[in-house]
Amino acid sequence: DQQVKQNSPSLSVQEGRISILNCDYTNSMFDYFLWYKKYPAEGPTFLISISSIKDKNEDGRFTVFLNKSAKHLSLHIVPSQPGDSAVYFCAASGGVNFGNEKLTFGTGTRLTIIP
Amino acid sequence: DTGVSQDPRHKITKRGQNVTFRCDPISEHNRLYWYRQTLGQGPEFLTYFQNEAQLEKSRLLSDRFSAERPKGSFSTLEIQRTEQGDSAMYLCASSLAIGRIQADTQYFGPGTRLTVL
Repeated sequence: DQQVKQNSPSLSVQEGRISILNCDYTNSMFDYFLWYKKYPAEGPTFLISISSIKDKNEDGRFTVFLNKSAKHLSLHIVPSQPGDSAVYFCAASGGVNFGNEKLTFGTGTRLTIIP
Repeated sequence: DTGVSQDPRHKITKRGQNVTFRCDPISEHNRLYWYRQTLGQGPEFLTYFQNEAQLEKSRLLSDRFSAERPKGSFSTLEIQRTEQGDSAMYLCASSLAIGRIQADTQYFGPGTRLTVL
């Protein structure tokens, strides 16, 4: 039972344009969502997070949007840079309200930025 | 370097052997997590500690797996009688939990890649 889904295994975007990565979840107990970036042979690197009490969070070139009614979140990267090429994982937890601190991850989207 | 560290980075072993991995969390972090990642999948939760107490274990953690965090600082994950299906990247993460005020962000180490021949 895949509770966090990333339906696009790969995405290619021209340098300088916007990259949009999508994530859907099924468990309504999730209340905290995170995006991680992973290079080969390295551990996931934290990028940005959002609590369920918000619908948007920005940090520099990265913005995460949360649509609770649709159980959908997205990560926008603008402008995209070659160093953004990596695998991006969406993750969710029920940490605050339900004491479920473990992260449930999606299967990842490989982003390739074309120079 | 003040990030999460893991040792070794790579381990090749023969089926049936025991292996032990170590994780050193970020120094002020009170929570420590273990995850496993296989090819084409996202990391999957195995277990976590708050200080020295092991608070949750996944059903993925068979009785061949044991984890400890004896002094609430570093942790070890041991796999006994390894099987080929144990081949994976084993990831450690740590976080600073400050109660129910807000959810904590987990920071990951570089992982230990286990290959069972």
